[in-house]
Amino acid sequence: GNSVTQMEGPVTLSEEAFLTINCTYTATGYPSLFWYVQYPGEGLQLLLKATKADDKGSNKGFEATYRKETTSFHLEKGSVQVSDSAVYFCALVPSGGSNYKLTFGKGTLLTVNP
Amino acid sequence: NAGVTQTPKFQVLKTGQSMTLQCAQDMNHNSMYWYRQDPGMGLRLIYYSASEGTTDKGEVPNGYNVSRLNKREFSLRLESAAPSQTSVYFCASNPDRGSSYEQYFGPGTRLTVT
Repeated sequence: GNSVTQMEGPVTLSEEAFLTINCTYTATGYPSLFWYVQYPGEGLQLLLKATKADDKGSNKGFEATYRKETTSFHLEKGSVQVSDSAVYFCALVPSGGSNYKLTFGKGTLLTVNP
Repeated sequence: NAGVTQTPKFQVLKTGQSMTLQCAQDMNHNSMYWYRQDPGMGLRLIYYSASEGTTDKGEVPNGYNVSRLNKREFSLRLESAAPSQTSVYFCASNPDRGSSYEQYFGPGTRLTVT
């Protein structure tokens, strides 16, 4: 079956530090890959996505590249801010599906200190 | 345009009580989903509805029922609440057009069963 594995948290960084959150997946074919972010007390919102191999998704200074050869979609940001403190979820939708069910990783809590 | 709305925001139930969580979207989306979020477990799909009049089980359907009342509304019912159903519940929707796999999430319902 499909699965997503992301690095265990929590991750605590100082403002302006470099961020990497690792995500690997198991799925047949070419799934679409996503990073969702959940700010405290809110629902999830899409941060970025990539729908084919070697695509790079980017938004708000965050980036992730779809690597088919390593089945990975690691999230990076060059300089984090306190406002980036949130829970980050990696997710996939399998290719060729008749619906759009997301499979989520367990989430990584990021805390950025001033 | 309110997006996805959920009611109530908070609820406390005693074991054995029943309740219905309401969800509505005003984006004319075809697919709707119910998830539960538990610490360290990520989001798990309870039920989904690919279109008005259809519903299907997700990963953790036991103890829940759903109704897709019309295209806008998708409710989740707990017939006899149990402490194991203490969780945060999220509703989401998806337009199903082309490669738009993004799901739009509501703000969540925090349910405690004592």
